[in-house]
Amino acid sequence: QVQLVESGGGVVQPGRSLRLSCAASGFTFRSYTIHWVRQAPGKGLEWVAVISSDGSNKYYADSVKGRFTISRDNSKSTLYLQMSSLRGEDTAVYYCARETPDYGDHYLDYWGQGTLVTVSS
Amino acid sequence: EIVMTQSPATLSVSPGERATLSCRASQSISSDLAWYQQKPGQVPRLLIYEASTRAIGIPVRFSGSGSGTEFTLTINSLQSEDFAVYYCQHYNNWPLTFGGGTKVEIK
Repeated sequence: QVQLVESGGGVVQPGRSLRLSCAASGFTFRSYTIHWVRQAPGKGLEWVAVISSDGSNKYYADSVKGRFTISRDNSKSTLYLQMSSLRGEDTAVYYCARETPDYGDHYLDYWGQGTLVTVSS
Repeated sequence: EIVMTQSPATLSVSPGERATLSCRASQSISSDLAWYQQKPGQVPRLLIYEASTRAIGIPVRFSGSGSGTEFTLTINSLQSEDFAVYYCQHYNNWPLTFGGGTKVEIK
């Protein structure tokens, strides 16, 4: 079955960096576009970033552009999110989510359980 | 950026009744809309895509409609497991954006 398992969350000081990982299994990872979506405590969902199946195309939310970098290692079936210059407003549960294989559609059919990032001094 | 606005923020419904949730896009998104359900402490689950197509395993009491800028999620005969927060999401262009959510609570 499809599994997405995030890791790397924790408490980090403002201005510091953190790297999240998302290990995928149960499907052909290299064939799928993958997203990061976050949810601040008690708040709604916010799309963060996306990377195409081969890593050649990436898009970011304006709120993280220039600070976050999405990448992937298809040989390891793993997605990453490098976060730098972290701010309090980046505090959230970060989910990785698989995009549907339907070409041109960008809805999310499987989600990981999420990893909590807390930015605090 | 396309802004997605959901209403109402909270909907109080009795079990067995119908719930109607609205989602409005700030510009036309054709039918590029998905709905997700999130229960407390759980991960979002895909319910509807292409505005009206149910995802695999989603009960027929869930239905979606609309196109352009106005969309509706209808839940017929609400079951206890349907009380949750529902989000719409457009995928017409980048960046993707979600609505603020509608919480369906027990009346």
